[in-house]
Amino acid sequence: AQSVTQLDSHVSVSEGTPVLLRCNYSSSYSPSLFWYVQHPNKGLQLLLKYTSAATLVKGINGFEAEFKKSETSFHLTKPSAHMSDAAEYFCVAHPLYNFNKFYFGSGTKLNVKP
Amino acid sequence: DVKVTQSSRYLVKRTGEKVFLECVQDMDHENMFWYRQDPGLGLRLIYFSYDVKMKEKGDIPEGYSVSREKKERFSLILESASTNQTSMYLCASSSDRGGDTEKLFFGSGTQLSVL
Repeated sequence: AQSVTQLDSHVSVSEGTPVLLRCNYSSSYSPSLFWYVQHPNKGLQLLLKYTSAATLVKGINGFEAEFKKSETSFHLTKPSAHMSDAAEYFCVAHPLYNFNKFYFGSGTKLNVKP
Repeated sequence: DVKVTQSSRYLVKRTGEKVFLECVQDMDHENMFWYRQDPGLGLRLIYFSYDVKMKEKGDIPEGYSVSREKKERFSLILESASTNQTSMYLCASSSDRGGDTEKLFFGSGTQLSVL
């Protein structure tokens, strides 16, 4: 069985400070992993994806994530938060053996204070 | 720019009504999905389709059906709407070809309220 756990439902940071959004996955197989972002009243947009080529993945808007197999984690980070980063973020796992199955975490709402 | 379009941003329906949610993609994608998004639960798959007239149940298909008569269009049908179907509905598509076969492209969502 596969599951994705986002450890924080809400994260609040000040503008200019680092962002850390935590994600753990459980799987019998190494899945592809993704982070999606959803701004208010918008659909989800892909931020970055990990597919085993490199453990540190860079995405759009300065975000990056590091895959740590020993910890089954795929945390999302950004060195300096911007007001426009306020949104909901979803960690997603895609098992390689099931092309149509995507496992979504429950989401983390990021609030950025001025 | 690639696009997944959901026909309505907001819908208000009454209990027992038959409801149609429409989704159109212009990317010639093979796969299309309907998800339901509820606070604290993430996205849950209702149905997906991997080809015209082909469909498979997702995790929560009860109370829903789908139709895919053309490649670009995937419809979600609530046969008899109930209040527990009040939710945000998201359509997505993906391709079986090229370098982004695992990437989902999402519509903006339809917020359905059933009264």
